[in-house]
Amino acid sequence: AQSVSQHNHHVILSEAASLELGCNYSYGGTVNLFWYVQYPGQHLQLLLKYFSGDPLVKGIKGFEAEFIKSKFSFNLRKPSVQWSDTAEYFCAVNRGTGGFKTIFGAGTRLFVKA
Amino acid sequence: EPEVTQTPSHQVTQMGQEVILRCVPISNHLYFYWYRQILGQKVEFLVSFYNNEISEKSEIFDDQFSVERPDGSNFTLKIRSTKLEDSAMYFCASKGGAGANVLTFGAGSRLTVL
Repeated sequence: AQSVSQHNHHVILSEAASLELGCNYSYGGTVNLFWYVQYPGQHLQLLLKYFSGDPLVKGIKGFEAEFIKSKFSFNLRKPSVQWSDTAEYFCAVNRGTGGFKTIFGAGTRLFVKA
Repeated sequence: EPEVTQTPSHQVTQMGQEVILRCVPISNHLYFYWYRQILGQKVEFLVSFYNNEISEKSEIFDDQFSVERPDGSNFTLKIRSTKLEDSAMYFCASKGGAGANVLTFGAGSRLTVL
């Protein structure tokens, strides 16, 4: 069965610090990978996605993620965080095309100190 | 930007009561989903729906739950006899055709069972 593991449950950073959130998935076939963000009191929003091609994908608000197939990883990075990045971040995966369900990780709560 | 809309935004109900949560997916989308997020926990898949039938459901989605798309626009989740542990945020999501793998989420319906 598919599963998604996020290594950090809570992260506290100061503004301008660099961010890396780990994500590993378990599924041997073709996968699509996502990072969603949930700002306080808001719904899930897509941050970035990987379907194929360049394993380094860039998303909104300066975020990027790197797909490393050999490690089954899709870590999220941002060189310099801002207070407004305080949110919960979810890694997610689904299989190939079609209506397959998207599975989410447990989430990482990021708090950025001003 | 097309949106997934959900109503109500918040519902408080007594244990044992029936609840219907409503969703209007993006109009040309074909795949529909319900997820839930218990406070402080991960986003959990409940059910997927395609071509007017359930395509997959999780172990959470027991006989107390049902979904339907009664009129071609609304997509509803019904909980027949609510339990305390059904208290959660319920998110509806939709996506386009088989080649489109990004879920668009609604803002969620917060259900509180007393």
